[in-house]
Amino acid sequence: QQQVKQSPQSLIVQKGGISIINCAYENTAFDYFPWYQQFPGKGPALLIAIRPDVSEKKEGRFTISFNKSAKQFSLHIMDSQPGDSATYFCAASLRGSYIPTFGRGTSLIVHP
Amino acid sequence: DAGVIQSPRHEVTEMGQEVTLRCKPISGHDYLFWYRQTMMRGLELLIYFNNNVPIDDSGMPEDRFSAKMPNASFSTLKIQPSEPRDSAVYFCASRSTGAGANVLTFGAGSRLTVL
Repeated sequence: QQQVKQSPQSLIVQKGGISIINCAYENTAFDYFPWYQQFPGKGPALLIAIRPDVSEKKEGRFTISFNKSAKQFSLHIMDSQPGDSATYFCAASLRGSYIPTFGRGTSLIVHP
Repeated sequence: DAGVIQSPRHEVTEMGQEVTLRCKPISGHDYLFWYRQTMMRGLELLIYFNNNVPIDDSGMPEDRFSAKMPNASFSTLKIQPSEPRDSAVYFCASRSTGAGANVLTFGAGSRLTVL
């Protein structure tokens, strides 16, 4: 059973455009929602994270939007750049555990 | 700190052979995780340790897989005998307790190909 569902599987965006990746979860005991970024040949690295007590968190060009009632959250990359080309994983962890259950990942390609 | 160190980076072996993957976590981190990444299933948690003790191995696919952590600076993931369906990238990650507990630091991974 996939606890965190992520879409789309792949995404192609033009430079300067907005990239949007969506995730949904079922378990209401999840209370920490990180996004990890993975470049080819590297391990995933924490990009940005949010807790369910806020609806939005922004760090530079990266924003997480969180809808607690719908049990959905999304990553928005504004002014997408070729250097953003990577695989993005959403994740969720149970209260206090910080052990992430990952979505299947989204391969983002930003064309110059 | 050099980060989480994994070896080998690439391993090609034949079906039936034993494979051992190694991991050195970040010094001071008391949690260690083994993940497997495939195109079909994404990142799956296989097992994790806390203070060298295995806490949850429910993600280990079958008895052919075993993991050990003999001390705070070393862990192994062993597959015996290996099968082609075990081909994947295996990641080790570590984290601390307390401040920074929310951040998993991953190694660069070990890409396993079983022929």
